[in-house]
Amino acid sequence: EPEVTQTPSHQVTQMGQEVILRCVPISNHLYFYWYRQILGQKVEFLVSFYNNEISEKSEIFDDQFSVERPDGSNFTLKIRSTKLEDSAMYFCASKWTGGGEKLFFGSGTQLSVL
Amino acid sequence: GENVEQHPSTLSVQEGDSAVIKCTYSDSASNYFPWYKQELGKRPQLIIDIRSNVGEKKDQRIAVTLNKTAKHFSLHITETQPEDSAVYFCAANYRSGNTPLVFGKGTRLSVIA
Repeated sequence: EPEVTQTPSHQVTQMGQEVILRCVPISNHLYFYWYRQILGQKVEFLVSFYNNEISEKSEIFDDQFSVERPDGSNFTLKIRSTKLEDSAMYFCASKWTGGGEKLFFGSGTQLSVL
Repeated sequence: GENVEQHPSTLSVQEGDSAVIKCTYSDSASNYFPWYKQELGKRPQLIIDIRSNVGEKKDQRIAVTLNKTAKHFSLHITETQPEDSAVYFCAANYRSGNTPLVFGKGTRLSVIA
């Protein structure tokens, strides 16, 4: 089965530093997402991306966050100035069509902000 | 927007017994309801899903039921095995467009051998 790949698997950073989390969605997928999961809590939606623009974003996705699809394969999440509360597992996800088709998750990037 | 409530938060069952996890949703427009299994430190993986035009769906030992009127859906696992131990998340969205999935808070299932 095709997979969404994410790098790095772990990222440790100092508060106030910028981080970029990278994702390679499944090649024929059109819809891309970032979710995060704070340890022991539920998976929370951050942002969705389609046709080279943000489709929807949550309250969590403030001005410190941005997403980009710099080429035909990568999808990145940037946090400009990390805060302690940004520490979480960040999952990239993609799917082929809008609506109820299966959402494939990447293996995640564990971000630790010190 | 959509809000998904999930119960119980933890569930322990003896191996071979059944497990039931229940979710309610708030948005009557939602029509897609997947269930994800997440093992410790791993990605959520889809195990079964149901669309609103169907009341029940079964795949071997797992089944999902949907009551649109009451706006709740349930996951049923029969003949539980130790490898079923994981956190299970329900989710909901509506199929039109790119609406993101909204997840419940998860149920930690422990199957005791």
